[in-house]
Amino acid sequence: QKEVEQNSGPLSVPEGAIASLNCTYSDRVSQSFFWYRQYSGKSPELIMSIYSNGDKEDGRFTAQLNKASQYVSLLIRDSQPSDSATYLCALSGYSTLTFGKGTMLLVSP
Amino acid sequence: EAGVAQSPRYKIIEKRQSVAFWCNPISGHATLYWYQQILGQGPKLLIQFQNNGVVDDSQLPKDRFSAERLKGVDSTLKIQPAKLEDSAVYLCASSRPGTGASGANVLTFGAGSRLTVL
Repeated sequence: QKEVEQNSGPLSVPEGAIASLNCTYSDRVSQSFFWYRQYSGKSPELIMSIYSNGDKEDGRFTAQLNKASQYVSLLIRDSQPSDSATYLCALSGYSTLTFGKGTMLLVSP
Repeated sequence: EAGVAQSPRYKIIEKRQSVAFWCNPISGHATLYWYQQILGQGPKLLIQFQNNGVVDDSQLPKDRFSAERLKGVDSTLKIQPAKLEDSAVYLCASSRPGTGASGANVLTFGAGSRLTVL
């Protein structure tokens, strides 16, 4: 059974700062890694996917993957109050997608 | 593109009663998932279908939960009898065929069905 570990938070950052969200996992077979954002009372929505070691940037978001250390992170630059949500790390091997418990991010104006 | 449809959005039942949830995935998405999300936790996979075959149901409490996807399109998740600890949001999601960077396992979720068991 894959395990995905995230700090539940909340992580509090001021508007304009960089938010850093971290995730570790136990399964070395995992090939694909995802970050989903979930607003309170809403369903998760995909914001980033990463498949190879290194960094992947998309607008204000950067995903970082280190398979040797079994570590994936999400950086949010210029954080906005609208970024306040729970961020779920997820990973998959060949089929099943496993989620972590999520980290709550609070961005204060 | 129409999204993943789920119903009902909300359901309140008493323990030991039964309940059924329905899901219609995005057209062309062969893989359908049912996740259970308890308040404050991440989604937990209950069952995954590829077309109308089961890929993974290892975390489905089979003594009370059942799911089917008869024609490879829409799906029904049933709980009978319900327990207090089944109170959760039941999320249906779908994804298109493929592997790895092709986009497989990029899930699109429905709005969810919130179950309260009293």
